[in-house]
Amino acid sequence: SAVISQKPSRDICQRGTSLTIQCQVDSQVTMMFWYRQQPGQSLTLIATANQGSEATYESGFVIDKFPISRPNLTFSTLTVSNLSPEDSSIYLCSANPGQGNEKLFFGSGTQLSVL
Amino acid sequence: QKEVEQDPGPLSVPEGAIVSLNCTYSNSAFQYFMWYRQYSRKGPELLMYTYSSGNKEDGRFTAQVDKSSKYISLFIRDSQPSDSATYLCAMSAAQAGTALIFGKGTTLSVSS
Repeated sequence: SAVISQKPSRDICQRGTSLTIQCQVDSQVTMMFWYRQQPGQSLTLIATANQGSEATYESGFVIDKFPISRPNLTFSTLTVSNLSPEDSSIYLCSANPGQGNEKLFFGSGTQLSVL
Repeated sequence: QKEVEQDPGPLSVPEGAIVSLNCTYSNSAFQYFMWYRQYSRKGPELLMYTYSSGNKEDGRFTAQVDKSSKYISLFIRDSQPSDSATYLCAMSAAQAGTALIFGKGTTLSVSS
């Protein structure tokens, strides 16, 4: 298994600003994933972050809006830029301690509210 | 048609009841099937993991996969108030690195 620490746990931000979410894993992992969880909706994958390469974004998500850093094998950040009320959601970091991503472990999430 | 369908509920049962949670899917490439439990204001917690078809049991929890029907189930025996949470099914294709696809989650409430 993997223990994933995510912060902040919640934040309230003004429109037009940015929020950076940090994710720390207690072991080295190849792949880290960022998900968004909107009320009443499925978890939606934003991007996959591999150490040493640029993140791979899913359809509907772009790097300018959701820049991701992955400086080492235990840490990643997600920035949500130019915030609007539509960005209000829970953002979740996840990682797989083994090969592939079949068994994903999650952080506790960041509840973002944009005013 | 969405790739993964899951009835959001809510589902309310008395303590001690047997709970059945289900998901259907459309992508025959899915090989890995998971159930996550998510408490309010917490991240999803991996509950059960199954590869391909069959049953898997862990304590009061049983996961079933029927690939021919593209249908997965999670059974909870002797349900407890502490089981009150949202249960998310998730699945992935065989190739490593493919994304997990989640259902919307079913909210379960177990009353004492």
